[in-house]
Amino acid sequence: EPEVTQTPSHQVTQMGQEVILRCVPISNHLYFYWYRQILGQKVEFLVSFYNNEISEKSEIFDDQFSVERPDGSNFTLKIRSTKLEDSAMYFCASRAPSSYEQYFGPGTRLTVT
Amino acid sequence: GQNIDQPTEMTATEGAIVQINCTYQTSGFNGLFWYQQHAGEAPTFLSYNVLDGLEEKGRFSSFLSRSKGYSYLLLKELQMKDSASYLCAWSSGNTPLVFGKGTRLSVIA
Repeated sequence: EPEVTQTPSHQVTQMGQEVILRCVPISNHLYFYWYRQILGQKVEFLVSFYNNEISEKSEIFDDQFSVERPDGSNFTLKIRSTKLEDSAMYFCASRAPSSYEQYFGPGTRLTVT
Repeated sequence: GQNIDQPTEMTATEGAIVQINCTYQTSGFNGLFWYQQHAGEAPTFLSYNVLDGLEEKGRFSSFLSRSKGYSYLLLKELQMKDSASYLCAWSSGNTPLVFGKGTRLSVIA
C-alpha cells in the first residue's frame, strides 16, 4: 500500500539554525499539508499546498516557515531560524483529488536546544 | 469560532464496547473524521462521516448528527492494541483538518 514518507525521523538542532524537513507524498496525490504536534498537545495545521502554491496557512506559519515542492516527488518544510518552541513532531500529509482522506507520514521529531 | 470537545481520557475493559463522544461548533462544516494515534506515531484514518447516521467498518463505527454538532466513535470487542488516542477532526472540504485534543483510551484486562 502506498504511504507518505518523511526524513529525517529525528532532527536535533541548535536555536537559530535552519532546518529542512522532507516529505515524499503518495504519488497520485495533489494536496499536501504540514501539521505539527507539540508533545502532549493537539495536532495543529501549519500549511496546505496545491498546484505549486500555498492554498492556506495558519497563524503559526509565519515568515520563519516556508514550503517548497522542488521536484515531482518531494515536499519540504523549511524553518529559517529555529526557536525552542518549534520543538515538536512535524507531520506531512497528502490527499488524492477524489477523496477527503488525508494520509499522514510517520513524522519528524524536531528538537531545538 | 471553531471548537471541538472530546473527553480527555477513558478506560475500558478488553472485550467490551466503548463510545467516544465529540461535539463541535463551526461554520462551513463538511465532514467529521476520526483518527487513531498511538503514542509517538502518526494519526491513522479510521472513518469519515459527511451525512447523518452511522457508518460501520468492522469493529469500529462512527455516528454523526449535523444538526446537533455531535459525533461518536464506537469500538466493539476491545483489544489491548486499541489503547491509543482517538482524534476527532472536522473539515469543510478542501480545507485542512481541525483536530480536537484527542481522547486517550486505555484498555485494561
